[in-house]
Amino acid sequence: DIEMTQSPSTLSASVGDRVTITCRASQSINNWLAWYQQKAGKAPKVLIYQTSILESGVPSRFSGSGSGTEFTLTISSLQPDDFATYYCQQYNSYSWTFGQGTKVEIK
Amino acid sequence: EVQLLESGGGLLQPGGSLRLSCVASGFSFTRYAMTWVRQTPGKGLEWVSAITSGATTYYADSVTGRFTVARDNSKNTLFLQMNSLRVEDTAIYYCAKGSMAVGHYYMDVWGIGTTVTVSS
Repeated sequence: DIEMTQSPSTLSASVGDRVTITCRASQSINNWLAWYQQKAGKAPKVLIYQTSILESGVPSRFSGSGSGTEFTLTISSLQPDDFATYYCQQYNSYSWTFGQGTKVEIK
Repeated sequence: EVQLLESGGGLLQPGGSLRLSCVASGFSFTRYAMTWVRQTPGKGLEWVSAITSGATTYYADSVTGRFTVARDNSKNTLFLQMNSLRVEDTAIYYCAKGSMAVGHYYMDVWGIGTTVTVSS
């Protein structure tokens, strides 16, 4: 299976900060990468798919980039609603795998 | 509005069986793949199983041979039959809609989840 490794595991930031989360795949995933946001007690919600395409309704402060095995999720100006846990996921193979998650906390 | 509603979770002993259901509404169920994803308490997300629009099935190694996914297109319902349950199967089980019928798809809509607890 393709292993997905996120960093950092926890991130402390303030409202207005620019935040970057990194996700590395154990092999090339041909840009078949999605990012999800999960708030406590809720189901995940997709933010970005195919590395950089914003899901409908997602604020433009979220962006994704990368290729091959290294990918990033950037929040350009952190808002109060953005404090949550973020997961990357590869869907290159018929064995979907997620990163371990990055919790974005209030500094 | 696209909605997924899971049911069937519960508390049971190791070795037991359970069937989860997920009723879909607000989209053409037959046109999309469907998946099951679980989340253990305080931990991350683990893909469990998927079924394409044409009923081709896929399973994580951890559940192969014990779990069976199926769909009833006439009732817009997804199922997960779980047998030989283990303590490590304890999790919230989410039903999620695939973004496509087949091929490279991500999970674009998620249900609220149903909790399965396996304990002696």
